[in-house]
Amino acid sequence: RKEVEQDPGPFNVPEGATVAFNCTYSNSASQSFFWYRQDCRKEPKLLMSVYSSGNEDGRFTAQLNRASQYISLLIRDSKLSDSATYLCVVNGGSGGYNKLIFGAGTRLAVHP
Amino acid sequence: DVKVTQSSRYLVKRTGEKVFLECVQDMDHENMFWYRQDPGLGLRLIYFSYDVKMKEKGDIPEGYSVSREKKERFSLILESASTNQTSMYLCASSPLRTGAGYTFGSGTRLTVV
Repeated sequence: RKEVEQDPGPFNVPEGATVAFNCTYSNSASQSFFWYRQDCRKEPKLLMSVYSSGNEDGRFTAQLNRASQYISLLIRDSKLSDSATYLCVVNGGSGGYNKLIFGAGTRLAVHP
Repeated sequence: DVKVTQSSRYLVKRTGEKVFLECVQDMDHENMFWYRQDPGLGLRLIYFSYDVKMKEKGDIPEGYSVSREKKERFSLILESASTNQTSMYLCASSPLRTGAGYTFGSGTRLTVV
């Protein structure tokens, strides 16, 4: 079983739609969670951290469910510029190093 | 802004060549990482370093070595390049503390012919 699993997509949605991505992780000791965004042929960039109480940044909302070991990202009012791959990221949970585990990503395509 | 700079955006090398990929960060981060990214496989950790002269193997270290002689610089070495090492290589850095996000360089697309 992969340490971090995501639906690869693609999710094809019209502008203005609401879209949600889920991600599951296997290490119950993980303490830090993130969503990264990666544009085609570019490097991953931090989109937002995910906190236990859930957090929002404009049109983006992240949720964490520790009991079920899954993380979600909700994007409201999708824009063309949201088209990218979204990576779910979890820290390794042990060893004392800041070792992050990256999911393979979920591709989003927003069309007019 | 944290900057992670990779020396080359594109590289073409021949099979059997020794290849050096350089990465420099300017935020005094303790941790530095080398990943490769291939379609369908996501990011795979090759090596990481948490201090000068320290290195740890990642998930796929075979065929690679690293060097960290200065805190700001982390080099990835392909001892004898092979065609299956054609990939996008990404360097990242982070503070030492657990839970900090990574900052990535813009990547080096390496083709081995």
